[in-house]
Amino acid sequence: QVQLVESGGGVVQPGRSLRLSCTASGFILSGYTMHWVRQAPGKGLEWVALVSYDGTEKYYVDSVKGRFTISRDNSKNTLYLQMNSLRGDDTAVYYCAREKRATSGQNWFDPWGQGTLVTVSS
Amino acid sequence: QSALTQPPSVSGSPGQSVTISCTGTSSDVGRYNRVSWYQQPPGTAPKLMIYEVSNRPSGVPDRFSGSKSGNTASLTISGLQAEDEADYYCSSSTADSTFVFGGGTKLTVL
Repeated sequence: QVQLVESGGGVVQPGRSLRLSCTASGFILSGYTMHWVRQAPGKGLEWVALVSYDGTEKYYVDSVKGRFTISRDNSKNTLYLQMNSLRGDDTAVYYCAREKRATSGQNWFDPWGQGTLVTVSS
Repeated sequence: QSALTQPPSVSGSPGQSVTISCTGTSSDVGRYNRVSWYQQPPGTAPKLMIYEVSNRPSGVPDRFSGSKSGNTASLTISGLQAEDEADYYCSSSTADSTFVFGGGTKLTVL
């Protein structure tokens, strides 16, 4: 079945780096735009970044621009999020999600991975 | 990139109907029919419930319906059941090719 599995989370000190991975199964990653969405403890969902199916287009939420880089390796069916200069307010569960798009241009997230927790703390 | 506005909480008794609103701007909710809704029970990942404003994926009960008027989208859950208790989030793509979520609404089934 279609599935996304995140990995790479953990505890990291402020200012350090971490790379998250999201491995897809049950579908061909190269056919889809992919996203990272995060959720701070007890808070709502926040869209973080997207990468187009071929990796040529990338967009970020303002709070991570210049610090986070989204990328993909379609040959490995894997999505990445390189997080540098981490701050306390980056502490969150990070989800990857596949974008589904209708021919009319409408788009939505389905499915989502189970999430991986990133804790930024000294 | 301002979050869409949702009520923090709604509640209803089993069998009743509740509606959750999601207010954006002419640059997101009002611009496109790209509003989707997600259900998130505690400790789980979000699950798609409504896409393209009013469409249900297979497997989602027809008790869930969506609509939009101007800059406000709505999710209505009729015939409330205990299993519907969860957080609900709306989402929309925006004019600058990014995405935005609502702040989330906690649904309590009394």
